[in-house]
Amino acid sequence: KAGVTQTPRYLIKTRGQQVTLSCSPISGHRSVSWYQQTPGQGLQFLFEYFSETQRNKGNFPGRFSGRQFSNSRSEMNVSTLELGDSALYLCASSLLPGLDTDTQYFGPGTRLTVL
Amino acid sequence: GDSVTQMEGPVTLSEEAFLTINCTYTATGYPSLFWYVQYPGEGLQLLLKATKADDKGSNKGFEATYRKETTSFHLEKGSVQVSDSAVYFCALVPNFGNEKLTFGTGTRLTIIP
Repeated sequence: KAGVTQTPRYLIKTRGQQVTLSCSPISGHRSVSWYQQTPGQGLQFLFEYFSETQRNKGNFPGRFSGRQFSNSRSEMNVSTLELGDSALYLCASSLLPGLDTDTQYFGPGTRLTVL
Repeated sequence: GDSVTQMEGPVTLSEEAFLTINCTYTATGYPSLFWYVQYPGEGLQLLLKATKADDKGSNKGFEATYRKETTSFHLEKGSVQVSDSAVYFCALVPNFGNEKLTFGTGTRLTIIP
């Protein structure tokens, strides 16, 4: 069974631009979460989607948004990029939230560099 | 709020040494606890998990026991290998229906031959 896939793997943008990252969960998984990893702040939760609905949101500004499609694939968008948005963005999928099978499996991440 | 406190790194050990990475947590209710590992240039891989008190998670020679009385989930391995060099993250999911993983700061482990 294929794992979580994220595209693109690497991205370079300039300040003020916007970016869209994509995540395809493990087949059959319906919950997708996004995390930001930086050397200074560590791993921080961005948001979680299940059945195309955002169920949970972390403490990030409104420039960070996301969505989930009917096939469970998810995208996250960052508008008006700032230098501090440079990070590894990780996507994780789980089978269903709220059950013992709630273990999250992570993709390899998208490395975003903002110049 | 929920939080995870991990042993400060970096940790450097010789091959075949005994490993302990301490992890304690603060959470309401009964969280599920996890250890994830991140190899250089990669995403996170689930190493092991425990979902209730006194559960022991184990994988690849690593073990951790969910201790509710001490709110701890320390990671141990009896004999480390060079291939175990990575960053280890302790994490919790607070309760059912909430998928937000709260992570510790990570502990970088280097094993020297």
